Amino acid sequence: DGGITQSPKYLFRKEGQNVTLSCEQNLNHDAMYWYRQDPGQGLRLIYYSQIVNDFQKGDIAEGYSVSREKKESFPLTVTSAQKNPTAFYLCASSRQGYSNQPQHFGDGTRLSIL
Amino acid sequence: SQELEQSPQSLIVQEGKNLTINCTSSKTLYGLYWYKQKYGEGLIFLMMLQKGGEEKSHEKITAKLDEKKQQSSLHITASQPSHAGIYLCGADGAIKAAGNKLTFGGGTRVLVKP
Repeated sequence: DGGITQSPKYLFRKEGQNVTLSCEQNLNHDAMYWYRQDPGQGLRLIYYSQIVNDFQKGDIAEGYSVSREKKESFPLTVTSAQKNPTAFYLCASSRQGYSNQPQHFGDGTRLSIL
Repeated sequence: SQELEQSPQSLIVQEGKNLTINCTSSKTLYGLYWYKQKYGEGLIFLMMLQKGGEEKSHEKITAKLDEKKQQSSLHITASQPSHAGIYLCGADGAIKAAGNKLTFGGGTRVLVKP
C-alpha cells in the first residue's frame, strides 16, 4: 500500500543537539511538506518542496533545515538554534501540477526535550 | 496571509446527536479541505470543496462551502463514538505558484459521550 512513513514515532533531544526526523513516501508525489503542531493548535508550515533539489521556507523555518535529494525522501533537521522544539511534527505530500490536490499525511513524530 | 478561524474550539455531544463545526476565512477560499485527526496521529483527508455553494457528503458527514467562498461548515448527523477526534480545516493559497501550501485553522476537538 502507498503511503507516508515518518520515523521515529518518539524522539528526545538533549541540549545543544541536532536531531533529524525522517519522512519517506511511495506515492510518487512531487511535493512534500513539514508541519509543526503544538498542543491545542492547528498546523504551521515549516518547509516545503515542490521538486527534487529545491525547497522553500514556510512560516516558521527558523531553527530547522531540510534536504530533498530524492523524490521519496524529505528529512527535517531540528537544530540547536530551535529553542522550543517540543511539538508534534507532521510530514505530508501531494501531487503537483494539478489543481487542488489534497495533501496526504504521515503519522507524525513527537519530539521532546530531555 | 490567509487566516482561518474554527468554531467552536471544542464540543461535547451526546451519541446520536448532530453537530456542526464552522471554518471562516478572512479571504476568498480557493480550495477548502477538511481533515480529521485522532490524538497523536496524522491527519485523515475527509473532503475538499472548491465552488461556491458546493456541498459534499460521505457517510454521515456533510461539508458545505458558502456562496461567497469565505465560510465552510462540517455537519455530522447522528454522531457516534468513532466521530470523536480533532477536525481541522485547511485552505489553499490563492496563488497556484505557491505550491499548494495549506493554511490550517486551529482545530475543533470533538468528544462524543456514549
